[in-house]
Amino acid sequence: AQSVSQHNHHVILSEAASLELGCNYSYGGTVNLFWYVQYPGQHLQLLLKYFSGDPLVKGIKGFEAEFIKSKFSFNLRKPSVQWSDTAEYFCAVIPAGAGSYQLTFGKGTKLSVIP
Amino acid sequence: EPEVTQTPSHQVTQMGQEVILRCVPISNHLYFYWYRQILGQKVEFLVSFYNNEISEKSEIFDDQFSVERPDGSNFTLKIRSTKLEDSAMYFCASTPSAVGNTEAFFGQGTRLTVV
Repeated sequence: AQSVSQHNHHVILSEAASLELGCNYSYGGTVNLFWYVQYPGQHLQLLLKYFSGDPLVKGIKGFEAEFIKSKFSFNLRKPSVQWSDTAEYFCAVIPAGAGSYQLTFGKGTKLSVIP
Repeated sequence: EPEVTQTPSHQVTQMGQEVILRCVPISNHLYFYWYRQILGQKVEFLVSFYNNEISEKSEIFDDQFSVERPDGSNFTLKIRSTKLEDSAMYFCASTPSAVGNTEAFFGQGTRLTVV
């Protein structure tokens, strides 16, 4: 079975700082990868996804992530965070071609951006 | 943009009581899911539902849990006799298909507190 590790439980940054949130997964085969964000009181929202092709994927709100297959990683980055990026971020995987849609999530990383 | 909506946002119940968590998935989606997140832990898959029956369930989803689509729009999760350890955030999600290269849309969650 697959698993996902998110390295940081809580990250605190000042506005304009650069962000990188780590995500590693374990699975022997091909996976589809996702980053979700949950703003306070709101639903889980898809930030970006990787299915195939260019391993550098761009998502909404200036976020991007790079899939490094050799490292089983899918780290999320943003060059300059804003206060409005304060939220919880979840990395998730699902085996490509899976017959059922069961996402495996990491524990999440809470990001606090200080104005 | 279509949304998955969940009610209530927060439910407090006494141990042993039955609770029903409600979800309205996106109208043209065919697959529905419940996930939960115990505080400080990972978001975990509970159950998937398609064509009015359970298609997959995790080991967490024991006889105390049931799901139903009582009408054309609602999708419910019932916990028959709540335990303290059922306290968690419960997320509903829906997808148009079951294959891995699709996107799940999540609701904002229902925080269940069992006292």
